[in-house]
Amino acid sequence: GNSVTQMEGPVTLSEEAFLTINCTYTATGYPSLFWYVQYPGEGLQLLLKATKADDKGSNKGFEATYRKETTSFHLEKGSVQVSDSAVYFCALSEGEYGNKLVFGAGTILRVKS
Amino acid sequence: KAGVTQTPRYLIKTRGQQVTLSCSPISGHRSVSWYQQTPGQGLQFLFEYFSETQRNKGNFPGRFSGRQFSNSRSEMNVSTLELGDSALYLCASSSLVNYEQYFGPGTRLTVT
Repeated sequence: GNSVTQMEGPVTLSEEAFLTINCTYTATGYPSLFWYVQYPGEGLQLLLKATKADDKGSNKGFEATYRKETTSFHLEKGSVQVSDSAVYFCALSEGEYGNKLVFGAGTILRVKS
Repeated sequence: KAGVTQTPRYLIKTRGQQVTLSCSPISGHRSVSWYQQTPGQGLQFLFEYFSETQRNKGNFPGRFSGRQFSNSRSEMNVSTLELGDSALYLCASSSLVNYEQYFGPGTRLTVT
């Protein structure tokens, strides 16, 4: 079946450092890809998405490009802030209606000032 | 526009009991999905409802069930609770426009 693999964390960075969180997927067809973020004690928030190959999703300084040739969707940010500390989940959509999300294990990001 | 709401936020139950969790989607959203989040298994899809019909189902035992009402509000029920059912249960709603899923804050279920 379809699956998502994320780099293990925690990832610890200093403020203003460059962030990369790797995400690769295995899927039949061409699913939509998502990054969600979860802050402590909260639900998931959609950070960005891409629906087809070579699409770039972006939001709040975060970016990710849908790479079909490498089956990847790596999350990047040029300069992280302490407020970016959270758990980041990569996900793909599957099923006839695209409403079933398959998630990676999540990557904890800690940003220190 | 109000977000997805889930009630209750926290719940403590005893093994063997049953529990019902509630989810109110964003106004206008007709699709509601449920997920279970645990430290060991991560985020797993339970089921999705659209227009009061279950459209998709994950690999969970029959003790897990759900339904959706005509106003799109959804409930999920877990019968004969087991310790392993302790988890954060997340509900998400989506529209037919872009299929983006918006999550509620979750219900933290603890089974003792």
